Amino acid sequence: GALVYQYPRRTICKSGTSMRMECQAVGFQATSVAWYRQSPQKTFELIALSTVNSAIKYEQNFTQEKFPISHPNLSFSSMTVLNAYLEDRGLYLCGARGDSYAEQFFGPGTRLTVL
Amino acid sequence: GDSVTQTEGQVALSEEDFLTIHCNYSASGYPTLFWYVQYPGEGPQLLFRASRDKEKGSSRGFEATYDKGTTSFHLRKASVQESDSAVYYCALSGHTEGADRLTFGKGTQLIIQP
Repeated sequence: GALVYQYPRRTICKSGTSMRMECQAVGFQATSVAWYRQSPQKTFELIALSTVNSAIKYEQNFTQEKFPISHPNLSFSSMTVLNAYLEDRGLYLCGARGDSYAEQFFGPGTRLTVL
Repeated sequence: GDSVTQTEGQVALSEEDFLTIHCNYSASGYPTLFWYVQYPGEGPQLLFRASRDKEKGSSRGFEATYDKGTTSFHLRKASVQESDSAVYYCALSGHTEGADRLTFGKGTQLIIQP
């Protein structure tokens, strides 16, 4: 079956520091990877969408300078939260889709706490 | 932009009760509509989707019918079980973007008391 793993599951960083999170697709080729954030009391916000052979597209209020994303192959993607502050707290989800599927498969998320 | 509005907060029911979680959307054209379920410590899992007016999606006893006239996709289940306790999200993707860009509602926590 199609599975998506995310690492780490939880992380704590000091305000102003950066942290990197990873997303791995198993059992299918992830031709597109979407990164979302769920902040406290909010629903999932799309940060950016990475599609093979296309530039990564960031949503309004999210930038490459703050959330650089790498999608080097069809099974792996990573995103870094640079210079994290309190407002960056939340659950970061990776949703991956392959050409054979009409749906996104989600990982369990990386929960980021900023002190 | 696109948006999804669903029953907010918590819904508390007893086993074998009938469930309705309301979902209304705002989007141009014919978006694809989804219901996702999220259990503690896990990512959202797709329950089902629908892409056309009057199309019914269903899974595990849950169902919803795409209604373009009322821009709704309400989730229903005739008889809930304790194992249905979870957070349910209604979502949509624009018709030009496929399933890659999802807009989620705020989620509804379903609590089933034995």
